Amino acid sequence: RKEVEQDPGPFNVPEGATVAFNCTYSNSASQSFFWYRQDCRKEPKLLMSVYSSGNEDGRFTAQLNRASQYISLLIRDSKLSDSATYLCAVRENNNDMRFGAGTRLTVKP
Amino acid sequence: GAVVSQHPSWVICKSGTSVKIECRSLDFQATTMFWYRQFPKQSLMLMATSNEGSKATYEQGVEKDKFLINHASLTLSTLTVTSAHPEDSSFYICSATLMGVSEQFFGPGTRLTVL
Repeated sequence: RKEVEQDPGPFNVPEGATVAFNCTYSNSASQSFFWYRQDCRKEPKLLMSVYSSGNEDGRFTAQLNRASQYISLLIRDSKLSDSATYLCAVRENNNDMRFGAGTRLTVKP
Repeated sequence: GAVVSQHPSWVICKSGTSVKIECRSLDFQATTMFWYRQFPKQSLMLMATSNEGSKATYEQGVEKDKFLINHASLTLSTLTVTSAHPEDSSFYICSATLMGVSEQFFGPGTRLTVL
């Protein structure tokens, strides 16, 4: 079983749609959780950290479910510029960061 | 703040040569630096974790004699791909962390093409 698993997609959605990504992790001792955005041929950029109580940043909402060991990302009112690959990342207690394979999103006009 | 640079940004080399990639934390002292490799349409795969002044810890399946990591200071780590082969062609990305911050800060990556 992979340490961090994501649905690779692709997700093709129209502008304005709401889209949700899920990610599961295997190490119950994991400490920190993140969503990164990666554009083609670029490095990942931190989109948001994920907190136990859930957190929102504009059109983006992240949730963490420790009992079920999954994290989610909800994007509302999708924009063309949201097209990218979204990576979930889990930081383990030894400081290593494990990434999911990424979910590819394409927002179409 | 928390800027990480990598050099070179891309490199093309002949099979059998060695390539050195530098990773620098520009405005902070990094407690730990990480090296990742990413093949097309795949995720980032952690290769090794590097702490200043000590030997790097390599992930299972990563050959330490092929991927030499030197972390001589709190702001510089280098990855040398020795005797590169076409299958080593990939996107190599470093990241760095600093004390008290859970986020990792990524460099812009180095695209290696081995002919």
